[in-house]
Amino acid sequence: RKEVEQDPGPFNVPEGATVAFNCTYSNSASQSFFWYRQDCRKEPKLLMSVYSSGNEDGRFTAQLNRASQYISLLIRDSKLSDSATYLCVVIEYSGNTPLVFGKGTRLSVIA
Amino acid sequence: NAGVTQTPKFQVLKTGQSMTLQCAQDMNHNSMYWYRQDPGMGLRLIYYSASEGTTDKGEVPNGYNVSRLNKREFSLRLESAAPSQTSVYFCASSENGEVQPQHFGDGTRLSIL
Repeated sequence: RKEVEQDPGPFNVPEGATVAFNCTYSNSASQSFFWYRQDCRKEPKLLMSVYSSGNEDGRFTAQLNRASQYISLLIRDSKLSDSATYLCVVIEYSGNTPLVFGKGTRLSVIA
Repeated sequence: NAGVTQTPKFQVLKTGQSMTLQCAQDMNHNSMYWYRQDPGMGLRLIYYSASEGTTDKGEVPNGYNVSRLNKREFSLRLESAAPSQTSVYFCASSENGEVQPQHFGDGTRLSIL
């Protein structure tokens, strides 16, 4: 299986903190990257795409480092509602598995 | 807008029984997928359908069959359920299966005794 690796956590952070997760991928031919969020016992939901130049959506910043083959997600000013599991997703244009999920990083924001 | 709808939401089967999980999307998406999610394993692709009339195996297809009935519907069948198939099953859809991010149904929790 093509490897997409994430630190499972949990990351326990206080409200207002800044937290960052990385996701490494093994296939240098990987083309597209995304971050999903999954709440306990719910379906995954798209959080944001990851562009080569990096992109920001409010408190969330995603970055891609092709040379070192990882993507990152930075969350600033953490809220209790940010508590969830964050899944990275890597898409390739070849092979049986068009889209590969990481196993996720669990974040718990504490009051 | 319902998005991706899965039925049933919960099911308990005995080993050897058969069952079909239903999935329908109302977003006119071309591509549809079936995943299973197990603790510590993440989401794994079972089968996908890049467009109406086509289906392809994913990472873990053994023990399953699929039918892309029309553009809206993509069903997953377990012919002879085994305890190893106890899992949460998610259906997803996207406009372009290899590039666009996907929309998920809210899952079917299946237990095989």
